[in-house]
Amino acid sequence: SQTIHQWPATLVQPVGSPLSLECTVEGTSNPNLYWYRQAAGRGLQLLFYSVGIGQISSEVPQNLSASRPQDRQFILSSKKLLLSDSGFYLCAWSFGQGGNSPLHFGNGTRLTVT
Amino acid sequence: QQQVKQSPQSLIVQKGGISIINCAYENTAFDYFPWYQQFPGKGPALLIAIRPDVSEKKEGRFTISFNKSAKQFSLHIMDSQPGDSATYFCAATMYGAQKLVFGQGTRLTINP
Repeated sequence: SQTIHQWPATLVQPVGSPLSLECTVEGTSNPNLYWYRQAAGRGLQLLFYSVGIGQISSEVPQNLSASRPQDRQFILSSKKLLLSDSGFYLCAWSFGQGGNSPLHFGNGTRLTVT
Repeated sequence: QQQVKQSPQSLIVQKGGISIINCAYENTAFDYFPWYQQFPGKGPALLIAIRPDVSEKKEGRFTISFNKSAKQFSLHIMDSQPGDSATYFCAATMYGAQKLVFGQGTRLTINP
């Protein structure tokens, strides 16, 4: 069966510091990978998605970037965090055949920028 | 045209009652409609999904009703329980789209 791992679970970072969140998927090959952000009490905002190694699509221009160095690894980064980067960050995967398969989410990282 | 509109934003139901959450879409190319359930501090989890070739799908106490002509679909939770208290998201996508369009979410509270 497939599993998704996301870490850390919580993170407190000062403004201006760098960020690196990592997500890995096990049990499948060539998944589609996604980064979402959820503000407190709000909906799901798609930040980035990837259909293959090195292929990143950005949905919202912002202070963040994403990379996919390996097939089942997805990394969310920032060089300098802003207060507005605080939120709940969720990694997700789906089967990458191009069809409409469901998303499977990790348990998220709660980021607080102080 | 890519939006999915979800209502209500919040809902309070008594234990044993029926919870109903509605979603509407405009893009007639959408052909897959999942619902997600999210508990506080956790990622959303797939609850139930439907394709437009059926008008209803039931899994336990959870039922999706789908009205293709009205471009609407809804989630019904029968005999609602306090453990159903969570945020629910509807979503839609189409073949080859690679990503889901989510509704804004409904915070459901079941009072004991």
